[in-house]
Amino acid sequence: DTGVSQDPRHKITKRGQNVTFRCDPISEHNRLYWYRQTLGQGPEFLTYFQNEAQLEKSRLLSDRFSAERPKGSFSTLEIQRTEQGDSAMYLCASSPGRSQETQYFGPGTRLLVL
Amino acid sequence: GESVGLHLPTLSVQEGDNSIINCAYSNSASDYFIWYKQESGKGPQFIIDIRSNMDKRQGQRVTVLLNKTVKHLSLQIAATQPGDSAVYFCAETPYNFNKFYFGSGTKLNVKP
Repeated sequence: DTGVSQDPRHKITKRGQNVTFRCDPISEHNRLYWYRQTLGQGPEFLTYFQNEAQLEKSRLLSDRFSAERPKGSFSTLEIQRTEQGDSAMYLCASSPGRSQETQYFGPGTRLLVL
Repeated sequence: GESVGLHLPTLSVQEGDNSIINCAYSNSASDYFIWYKQESGKGPQFIIDIRSNMDKRQGQRVTVLLNKTVKHLSLQIAATQPGDSAVYFCAETPYNFNKFYFGSGTKLNVKP
């Protein structure tokens, strides 16, 4: 257990539904990252927060995806109008920042869109 | 549990042997490099990192080598153990740490 938690661990939804995932990073970690991972591939960067500010977004993050980190602590990732291609593992990672850049990953949320 | 190792290059070694896992990166501007280990059903786990101003760094049983000239990174695991069996990813990021790029991964299979 790295100290980063994600909820839910598994989500099955029907195409067209909205889903929201939550990430609780390690306390006082300034940096928070979201990734998507499909079978047999490395994690793909989605977005990055420094405290509450979303500073980087991947081109992979279509307008159906939105992420927030309202108080600089937990973060949510929402996918609207899910598609079958959204099926993947969604990983969250946090790091302290301030020259301490080791990322600690959560266990991930496994999404299956039927 | 979930298998993260489907269709990945596989390195098979005998328990006790040394393992070398290689990674080529593409961005000359990358400043920081990390190796991760991922077991089935789990998130990646940090192993060792190296900054671009270094060419070698050692940890416990692991060594990372960085060759910026050819944009190559390697992970050496000494005296490989069955518990080292997993998928290994390299990752790179530019100096501002705003995004990380992961390689495609190598599956390490340790035979007892």
